Amino acid sequence: EAGVAQSPRYKIIEKRQSVAFWCNPISGHATLYWYQQILGQGPKLLIQFQNNGVVDDSQLPKDRFSAERLKGVDSTLKIQPAKLEDSAVYLCASSLHSRNSPLHFGNGTRLTVT
Amino acid sequence: TQLLEQSPQFLSIQEGENLTVYCNSSSVFSSLQWYRQEPGEGPVLLVTVVTGGEVKKLKRLTFQFGDARKDSSLHITAAQTGDTGLYLCAGVETSGSRLTFGEGTQLTVNP
Repeated sequence: EAGVAQSPRYKIIEKRQSVAFWCNPISGHATLYWYQQILGQGPKLLIQFQNNGVVDDSQLPKDRFSAERLKGVDSTLKIQPAKLEDSAVYLCASSLHSRNSPLHFGNGTRLTVT
Repeated sequence: TQLLEQSPQFLSIQEGENLTVYCNSSSVFSSLQWYRQEPGEGPVLLVTVVTGGEVKKLKRLTFQFGDARKDSSLHITAAQTGDTGLYLCAGVETSGSRLTFGEGTQLTVNP
């Protein structure tokens, strides 16, 4: 089966600019996740979708981050305006179900904010 | 305070040695997963444990879930250079549905 696809692979922007990341999950996977992984740390959940509904966005900085999964398939994550501390790898993952199902990760987008 | 504490944070060993990494918490988990992540890639699932006291083996890797479902360990026998990577544990608390990751153990196996 095709894996989780993410683009772009790398992005460099200046602070206060905006950026968007795209994710296409594995076909048939109802649950989609966006994680932020800062260098040297484990992934931190930003938002979790079940089909096109938000299950958990409690750790999403909503003043600058937004995400959508309009048709319950692919998803976009946006940052506007970016801050230096947003420099990280943004990982998208999908799973068949939400609880106890293994996550399948994409290779991430590495964001550098200068 | 991290929900899941992993130790050691860094580990550098010679090929052929054995090692154990730990994942500890004060919370009870309905399941715990171990992932390995290589540079430039996303984490890849190694195993899921769901029953207290459960032991699972994957070739030279042995995973154990604590009896109280608060901790887990990963033991690697006769490490190989291909085992190099970031090992992450992740758990779902019994009271929630969020999969939370530990900070990881960076393992380097030298030839």
